[in-house]
Amino acid sequence: GESVGLHLPTLSVQEGDNSIINCAYSNSASDYFIWYKQESGKGPQFIIDIRSNMDKRQGQRVTVLLNKTVKHLSLQIAATQPGDSAVYFCAENPGTALIFGKGTTLSVSS
Amino acid sequence: GAGVSQSPSNKVTEKGKDVELRCDPISGHTALYWYRQSLGQGLEFLIYFQGNSAPDKSGLPSDRFSAERTGGSVSTLTIQRTQQEDSAVYLCASSFYTRELFFGEGSRLTVL
Repeated sequence: GESVGLHLPTLSVQEGDNSIINCAYSNSASDYFIWYKQESGKGPQFIIDIRSNMDKRQGQRVTVLLNKTVKHLSLQIAATQPGDSAVYFCAENPGTALIFGKGTTLSVSS
Repeated sequence: GAGVSQSPSNKVTEKGKDVELRCDPISGHTALYWYRQSLGQGLEFLIYFQGNSAPDKSGLPSDRFSAERTGGSVSTLTIQRTQQEDSAVYLCASSFYTRELFFGEGSRLTVL
């Protein structure tokens, strides 16, 4: 697998590897966080969410980790597939509209 | 339809003209959002409607931009006197209160 520290705009992995995409959020008052996937020419699609009273949530092949101490969010994708290639955005809700972070482009090669 | 619908999907206009972009949210959703995405960039918040509350317009970049939501459903984003820097994909999303947002496919605006 491959992990990244702070936000990187691109991440390239081999099919079958585990991917970790990181995100730093800005507002301590945010209590709800979401990861979105955006494929070329399409609108963002919901992947997984987590509330601030949790530090980990698992979905199908995806896990979101929340570290409120350092205001850090990560998305882990297990057994990455070519279909996972897309831009991934984290988003925080400070009480009104969702605020999106800078995206990370995930490229999966066979 | 079951999803968020936006029209037109593509709009090419000349600098100085006005444009209107339409969004039909998911039925029953209380909140509606407009975001702007320039080529290769992230999502820039523009405006947010929640129920009958006054909209949060804090993201609108200038007074040339305005939006309304009629009957708590359909929304129109209007850009007056378009400029080339307005060229972007305008994304609409809706949600049930503050839960996950469901996005439309976007309206791609090109200002010549």
